[in-house]
Amino acid sequence: DGGITQSPKYLFRKEGQNVTLSCEQNLNHDAMYWYRQDPGQGLRLIYYSQIVNDFQKGDIAEGYSVSREKKESFPLTVTSAQKNPTAFYLCASCIGQGADQPQHFGDGTRLSIL
Amino acid sequence: SQKIEQNSEALNIQEGKTATLTCNYTNYSPAYLQWYRQDPGRGPVFLLLIRENEKEKRKERLKVTFDTTLKQSLFHITASQPADSATYLCALDENSYALNFGKGTSLLVTP
Repeated sequence: DGGITQSPKYLFRKEGQNVTLSCEQNLNHDAMYWYRQDPGQGLRLIYYSQIVNDFQKGDIAEGYSVSREKKESFPLTVTSAQKNPTAFYLCASCIGQGADQPQHFGDGTRLSIL
Repeated sequence: SQKIEQNSEALNIQEGKTATLTCNYTNYSPAYLQWYRQDPGRGPVFLLLIRENEKEKRKERLKVTFDTTLKQSLFHITASQPADSATYLCALDENSYALNFGKGTSLLVTP
């Protein structure tokens, strides 16, 4: 079955540590996205990529970094510069490159600070 | 600034009734509006997309309307079932490539 896989489901970070969240899709989608969701809040866009080797900052990119070396993979690194990283992180993909198509989401990674 | 507003209060309805959820927006001129369902601890699941030149879209028990004059979308679930209990998110295109999501409305359908 095609889909998006995020791993791990739960992740703990120590102060001053960088952590990387994995997102893999086998849907052959061009566009991929990272969102952050806090309790009672909507999804906020961190980064998005419309094509391999290209990505753009979203609304809250500070303290995060991404890469898009392969079409099927879009890992997100939460750096030590992100002072409030505790949240639910969601990865999505979309066929084509426009907002006129539905986004397919993974089941998220919940990041907590030790 | 751009804003998307969904009912912050949870919506409680009885099984078999029609649930109506509202999405209002300001300072947007969206070409597309999407609705998603999210269950606790899971990622959102796409339900319906409606374009600015479409007034209404239906899929099985779901119906979405889009009024660009009122800057509002209504999402209806007819003959609601307990399995429809979830949080429902609306999303508007921020530009041609990304979506802005509302905070969602929690729906509880009781037997």
